[in-house]
Amino acid sequence: AQRVTQPEKLLSVFKGAPVELKCNYSYSGSPELFWYVQYSRQRLQLLLRHISRESIKGFTADLNKGETSFHLKKPFAQEEDSAMYYCALDYGQNFVFGPGTRLSVLP
Amino acid sequence: DAGVTQSPTHLIKTRGQQVTLRCSPISGHKSVSWYQQVLGQGPQFIFQYYEKEERGRGNFPDRFSARQFPNYSSELNVNALLLGDSALYLCASSLARGRGNYGYTFGSGTRLTVV
Repeated sequence: AQRVTQPEKLLSVFKGAPVELKCNYSYSGSPELFWYVQYSRQRLQLLLRHISRESIKGFTADLNKGETSFHLKKPFAQEEDSAMYYCALDYGQNFVFGPGTRLSVLP
Repeated sequence: DAGVTQSPTHLIKTRGQQVTLRCSPISGHKSVSWYQQVLGQGPQFIFQYYEKEERGRGNFPDRFSARQFPNYSSELNVNALLLGDSALYLCASSLARGRGNYGYTFGSGTRLTVV
């Protein structure tokens, strides 16, 4: 079955440190993967899509089909990056979210 | 554009009752999806509608149903409410369905409490 896993429930880093939020998926076809972010008291919003290969707010994510991973990275974390991050897989008939990782950037 | 709007924002119902949640997508978006988010978990997919037809269904019982209207707005109905149905119900809209879509834009959700 299609599944998305995010092994860390909580990730704490200091401001200026690199960040990597892990995401692994299980899907036999060609996946479409996304990262969504939810800041405190705000609605869930799209952060980036793997098909566009874009960098949003300094975050990037590379699809590794061999490792079935789509990790989210940022070289220098900022306090405003503190939020809940969800990895998601779209396989056409369904849209599967991972359980989420709460990122806390400490001053 | 007001974005994706959902109503009501909060709702309290008694076990066994029925509830209808409403969603208006972003203008021009023809795909609407519904999700259930229980506290501490990621959103769980319930339904996807595109051009007024059901295009996807998650692992939810038949007590859950939905429909999409000609103006692309949507309703989610839940019958015979259980305590476990208490959750945040999210609606999301997208330009297209399935492959190559641009991701979903989410509403703020309806917080349903079943007592």
